[in-house]
Amino acid sequence: QSALTQPPSASGTPGQTVTISCSGSSSNIGNNAVSWYRHLPGTAPKVLIYFNVERPSGVPDRLSGSKSGTSASLAISGLQSDDEADYYCVAFDDSLNGYVFGTGTTVTVL
Amino acid sequence: QVQLQESGPGLVKPSQTLSLTCTVSGDSMTSGSYYWSWIRQPAGKGLEWIGRMYRSGATYYNPSLNSRVTISLRTSKSQFSLRLSSVTAADTALYYCARNVWRGHRDEGFDYWGQGILVTVSS
Repeated sequence: QSALTQPPSASGTPGQTVTISCSGSSSNIGNNAVSWYRHLPGTAPKVLIYFNVERPSGVPDRLSGSKSGTSASLAISGLQSDDEADYYCVAFDDSLNGYVFGTGTTVTVL
Repeated sequence: QVQLQESGPGLVKPSQTLSLTCTVSGDSMTSGSYYWSWIRQPAGKGLEWIGRMYRSGATYYNPSLNSRVTISLRTSKSQFSLRLSSVTAADTALYYCARNVWRGHRDEGFDYWGQGILVTVSS
């Protein structure tokens, strides 16, 4: 099973925009929706984006998702110290008939 | 507010069966929009989907674990469970239960998660 590919880390200063990429294939991102999660150690992951671009209520609009072909991205604008966490993308994979997670990206606010 | 809570032994011996339960509160488990899922995270590694179950009894498992995994529902008790047989040290991980939302053919991801439970496989 191949995980979706994310950069291991990303960083920015407060107020900047950080973009995290998520690369997959035609059997997952290319044909299915992507969701994004924020994960802090010892806590439950929290959904930030679902169905590629939609935000659950309570998630600020400075977080946005996009998808093109077999890749997706999560952009965090107006970076804040609270944004320091691990971020994961997820998509259903038709070949596996199940989900594949991204490799995870640790965001650091400098 | 929907809440999920994992429970079960934190230590399992090699070759034995890992058994965990997830208790759901705040919503019905019988809605047609939900699959009930298990996900794990080995120490220092990323998240891995284990499998999911629908109210009909249909189950779907990660092929890498397929022969060892069983997920079952007990909707009358608002619970679902995970059994993983023949465990090894590689199964040591933080195990999460989560609700997976599908509205028609629209995959809306995992909207609620438990806090996670650490299971260590060791003699």
